[in-house]
Amino acid sequence: DGGITQSPKYLFRKEGQNVTLSCEQNLNHDAMYWYRQDPGQGLRLIYYSQIVNDFQKGDIAEGYSVSREKKESFPLTVTSAQKNPTAFYLCASSIPGYTGELFFGEGSRLTVL
Amino acid sequence: QQQVKQSPQSLIVQKGGISIINCAYENTAFDYFPWYQQFPGKGPALLIAIRPDVSEKKEGRFTISFNKSAKQFSLHIMDSQPGDSATYFCAARMDSSYKLIFGSGTRLLVRP
Repeated sequence: DGGITQSPKYLFRKEGQNVTLSCEQNLNHDAMYWYRQDPGQGLRLIYYSQIVNDFQKGDIAEGYSVSREKKESFPLTVTSAQKNPTAFYLCASSIPGYTGELFFGEGSRLTVL
Repeated sequence: QQQVKQSPQSLIVQKGGISIINCAYENTAFDYFPWYQQFPGKGPALLIAIRPDVSEKKEGRFTISFNKSAKQFSLHIMDSQPGDSATYFCAARMDSSYKLIFGSGTRLLVRP
């Protein structure tokens, strides 16, 4: 089955630690995205990548980093510089070209203790 | 100007009733308006979408109404069912962009 796999589903970390969230897709999509979801604030774009070895900052990139070394993978690192990292993180991908349809993973819930 | 304002924040409807969720935008460069449905613990999934050259699009019990002059669009769920209980997000995409701008979401509860 084609889809997007995010791991881990739940993650706890102590303040000051970096954590990396995994996102893998087998849909052969060129574009991949990371969104952050907070109650009452909708989905906010952290980073996106249109092609391997290239990525752009979204609206709330501060305190986050990404890499895109393979088409299938787009990991997100939440660094200790992120002031309020507790949130639900969603990875998505889209088909090449001009489309608004995003295919989302099931998300990773990060809690900072 | 890049915001999409969504209301209400939450909505309770009886089974069989009509659920209506509204969104408004300012930027006339938006050219694509999708709605996403999200069940608890899951990622959002595309429900229905519309482009600004049409005023209405219907897919089953779900209808998007689009008012270009008022810069508003809405989702109507006819004959609402308990299985429709979810969070709904409107969104807008600017032309020549990969970015989707999402509304803040509406949590719908359909009572049996």
